[in-house]
This record gives sequence, structure tokens and C-alpha cells, in this order.
Amino acid sequence: DAKTTQPPSMDCAEGRAANLPCNHSTISGNEYVYWYRQIHSQGPQYIIHGLKNNETNEMASLIITEDRKSSTLILPHATLRDTAVYYCIVGYAGGTSYGKLTFGQGTILTVHP
Amino acid sequence: NAGVTQTPKFRVLKTGQSMTLLCAQDMNHEYMYWYRQDPGMGLRLIHYSVGEGTTAKGEVPDGYNVSRLKKQNFLLGLESAAPSQTSVYFCASSYGTGPYNEQFFGPGTRLTVL
Repeated sequence: DAKTTQPPSMDCAEGRAANLPCNHSTISGNEYVYWYRQIHSQGPQYIIHGLKNNETNEMASLIITEDRKSSTLILPHATLRDTAVYYCIVGYAGGTSYGKLTFGQGTILTVHP
Repeated sequence: NAGVTQTPKFRVLKTGQSMTLLCAQDMNHEYMYWYRQDPGMGLRLIHYSVGEGTTAKGEVPDGYNVSRLKKQNFLLGLESAAPSQTSVYFCASSYGTGPYNEQFFGPGTRLTVL
């Protein structure tokens, strides 16, 4: 599985957009980009995933560069409840994969009032 | 739906004691997983199961055993606990593999081994 690189921490003002970057330069053609977050002391929560195209759901948007070597998770209007550790994970889906998620250290996002 | 539940929430063991952590899901998921998370670290996969009656090793399986006798339950056992097994344990489940099969996580079990 490809490795990911994320900044260790970021700050964001409440109500503003939070843009969390992730580098995955060794991603292979059929690997997906997944984002999960972990609010303090809770289990991780799925946010969004993508392969090539940009994706949007009720929680966030995912922008993947054309060469797929990096991506950005966007929380359009961050709230205090979005303060969490955000994990960018690259992995295979389907086939012989058993759904393995390899968690790195993630980015600690702190949303300030 | 309760989702994924874990029992117990907290436990303190002495070195050499044994215990079983229970994970239950009510979403009819095929796949279940056990992870551990040490302070300041990401999650690491201990064992997983792709269906009732099946189990397989993950990244850090040593010192743990698992069983999946019923589809909705996944048990994690520590036969002889060691201080290195002090951690937070998370269970997760998913429909299967595939890009749309996100993993749903339980609230965690905090285990301290003295």
C-alpha cells in the first residue's frame, strides 16, 4: 500500500474552510484515497473517499490532483466539533484486499472560535 | 441501530491475567476487525474476519487470539496479558471490501496491564 504524508497539525477559524493536504506520491492506479477522522477518545469515523475524480458529500469535499499524487480534504464551514485527528489513507478496494486500512499519525485539526 | 458496541469500556489487568473483549454489530456486516491504538499513534490491525467462522492475522497479532462464532460478534482474547498490551482497542465492521464499504468503528476499550 502507498504511504501518505500529512502535516502534523493545522488550525482553522470557526466558520472558515479547513483544507487538509495529503501527499501520496507512490499511489498506484487502482488505489483509492480514504479520509477518516477521530474525535478525541472516540473510534474513527469515515468521511469520504475517491479514486480519480473530485468527490463531495454532506460532510466534506475531496480534491484529487490529476496525477493523483496528492489530495486535499475540504471542510467547507468548520465548526468546533470538527476538531479531530484526520487520517488520509491509501489502499486497495475489492479483489484480494480485505479492506485493510493503514493509519498513519494524521493531522490534528484544531478549530478556534 | 446500536452500530458497533464494545464490552467492556475500561479494564485493568495484572500481568499474566487473561481476558476477552467483545465486539458486537447489528448491521449484518460480513467483515470485522480488531485494532489497537497506542498513545500518539495511528491504529494498527491485530486480527480480522471476512465472515462467520473465519479469522486471519493482521499487522500485530502476537499475544492475541480471536473468534467469530456468530456473524454479529467478534471476540479478542488475551491469554496472558503483558504491560506492552496496554492500549485502546477498537473494533470495526464493514459490509465487505470495495470502495464503498467504509469501516464503522466502536467506541473503544481502554485496557491497562500493570
